[in-house]
Amino acid sequence: DAKTTQPPSMDCAEGRAANLPCNHSTISGNEYVYWYRQIHSQGPQYIIHGLKNNETNEMASLIITEDRKSSTLILPHATLRDTAVYYCIVRQNSWGKLQFGAGTQVVVTP
Amino acid sequence: ETGVTQTPRHLVMGMTNKKSLKCEQHLGHNAMYWYKQSAKKPLELMFVYNFKEQTENNSVPSRFSPECPNSSHLFLHLHTLQPEDSALYLCASSLSLGEGVEQFFGPGTRLTVL
Repeated sequence: DAKTTQPPSMDCAEGRAANLPCNHSTISGNEYVYWYRQIHSQGPQYIIHGLKNNETNEMASLIITEDRKSSTLILPHATLRDTAVYYCIVRQNSWGKLQFGAGTQVVVTP
Repeated sequence: ETGVTQTPRHLVMGMTNKKSLKCEQHLGHNAMYWYKQSAKKPLELMFVYNFKEQTENNSVPSRFSPECPNSSHLFLHLHTLQPEDSALYLCASSLSLGEGVEQFFGPGTRLTVL
């Protein structure tokens, strides 16, 4: 699976958009980009995933660059409950394996 | 009850004990997973089951013994563990192992080995 690079931490003001970057320069054509988050001491929560096109759901938007070497997760209106570690994962799907890295610790402040 | 449940939520055991962790999913999924999350380390995949058959063993020591009696239940039997096995053990499930399929995680069992 392609490795991902994320900043270790970032702060965001409550009510503002949070833009979380992820680099995956070695991604191959059949690998999806997944985003999960983990609130302290809880199990990871699925957020969104995509292959080539940008995706949006009730939680977030995923913007994937045209060359697919990087992506951005956008939380449109961050709340205090969005404080968590956010994981960007690139996965080749046939094996079902999610390889988690260190993620980005996002702290939303009032 | 919906989603993925795990019991117990907390477990303290001695190195000579035998205990089991239980995971149950109410989502109609066919694939189930065990992950381990040690302090300050990323989640590590341990085992994958698909339609009750083990498809992945990520070089896990034999003191961890998984069991999947049906697609809804997954167990992790523990015996003669070491203190370094103390961690958060997470169960997950997905509809399949296929493309673009998300995994749903349970709340985890916090295990402490004395």
